[in-house]
Amino acid sequence: SQKIEQNSEALNIQEGKTATLTCNYTNYSPAYLQWYRQDPGRGPVFLLLIRENEKEKRKERLKVTFDTTLKQSLFHITASQPADSATYLCAPSGGSYIPTFGRGTSLIVHP
Amino acid sequence: GAVVSQHPSRVICKSGTSVKIECRSLDFQATTMFWYRQFPKQSLMLMATSNEGSKATYEQGVEKDKFLINHASLTLSTLTVTSAHPEDSSFYICSVKDSSTQETQYFGPGTRLLVL
Repeated sequence: SQKIEQNSEALNIQEGKTATLTCNYTNYSPAYLQWYRQDPGRGPVFLLLIRENEKEKRKERLKVTFDTTLKQSLFHITASQPADSATYLCAPSGGSYIPTFGRGTSLIVHP
Repeated sequence: GAVVSQHPSRVICKSGTSVKIECRSLDFQATTMFWYRQFPKQSLMLMATSNEGSKATYEQGVEKDKFLINHASLTLSTLTVTSAHPEDSSFYICSVKDSSTQETQYFGPGTRLLVL
């Protein structure tokens, strides 16, 4: 069955540093992969989508990579700020695959 | 991104009662909407896919008679939790897919249900 793995432990970093979150998936080949941000008690908010033929995508301080051989996506936030503290979800998707989300990684940026 | 609203944002009810949650797509017409449930510190679990004008498609293990879905218009889907029990207490979130690309999902703010 399809499986998505994200770091279960919270990632604590200092303000200004780069945060790197990992998403690994098994047993399927998604056409694209999405990253979302979720704050406590709120619905997820779309951040970035990267397709299988794209190695890297950037949006302001965010960067996402997608390695279909390793079945892995990395999500980077550069110059992190306390306001970036949230849970980040990955969702490999596309084709006939139903929308499926990882458990998410909690990021805590300390001032 | 698209704007999706949900109502109510939180609800407390007694065990055995029914609760209706509304999901509205404010920016575009959505033939398909998705209903998720999320328990604390867990991932979003897809419950069902709501299809306008036809029956919803339920995921394995989700009781269709307990979680009634009605997608009566292109902008409104409702989820009714019938005969709610404390174990139904959770965070319920709906989403719609971008109508042009059918890729990105836009989520509502969620509804917190507490069954006493």
